[in-house]
Amino acid sequence: DSGVTQTPKHLITATGQRVTLRCSPRSGDLSVYWYQQSLDQGLQFLIQYYNGEERAKGNILERFSAQQFPDLHSELNLSSLELGDSALYFCASSPSGRFQYFGPGTRLTVT
Amino acid sequence: GEDVEQSLFLSVREGDSSVINCTYTDSSSTYLYWYKQEPGAGLQLLTYIFSNMDMKQDQRLTVLLNKKDKHLSLRIADTQTGDSAIYFCAESKGSQGNLIFGKGTKLSVKP
Repeated sequence: DSGVTQTPKHLITATGQRVTLRCSPRSGDLSVYWYQQSLDQGLQFLIQYYNGEERAKGNILERFSAQQFPDLHSELNLSSLELGDSALYFCASSPSGRFQYFGPGTRLTVT
Repeated sequence: GEDVEQSLFLSVREGDSSVINCTYTDSSSTYLYWYKQEPGAGLQLLTYIFSNMDMKQDQRLTVLLNKKDKHLSLRIADTQTGDSAIYFCAESKGSQGNLIFGKGTKLSVKP
């Protein structure tokens, strides 16, 4: 158990819908990273927050957004969902950026 | 390019050594990592190596780094059936430590 929690574990929704994935980092970790794991693209970095502020952006679509709240939990919002958005979404937290600890992931299925 | 490359499959017999190879492209990467993903689970940080090191040993795991060839390997001694998983090589990118992952090597251990 890494200490990073993600909810929900599974999510099934229809095309065009909007969902919110939640992540609670390890106690004391200020950085939160979001990654997407899909069969065709592999594991891709989406976005990073540090103590409430966006720090880095990767291959994140404009339909996706994220935020980190004062209690350091983070949410990833996915809107206008397409079939291709079906993937595992991981959150990772880090105290310093050097070592990232991953949560169990949220499996999103878009039908 | 920024691709991290790994072979996709490796099969070994229980008790043998496993060697998983990886090549990376960014010579400025400070840390290189190996993560393990078991079926239905998140990513577990197995080990890492700092770019100014050539070798790091941690119990049954040995990481070798050849900076000239940008080649990283993970050796698992006395491989057990519980080592069956997907192993990801990753390099850190930028000051925020965003990870660039390989596609993963699926290790199958036969009894």
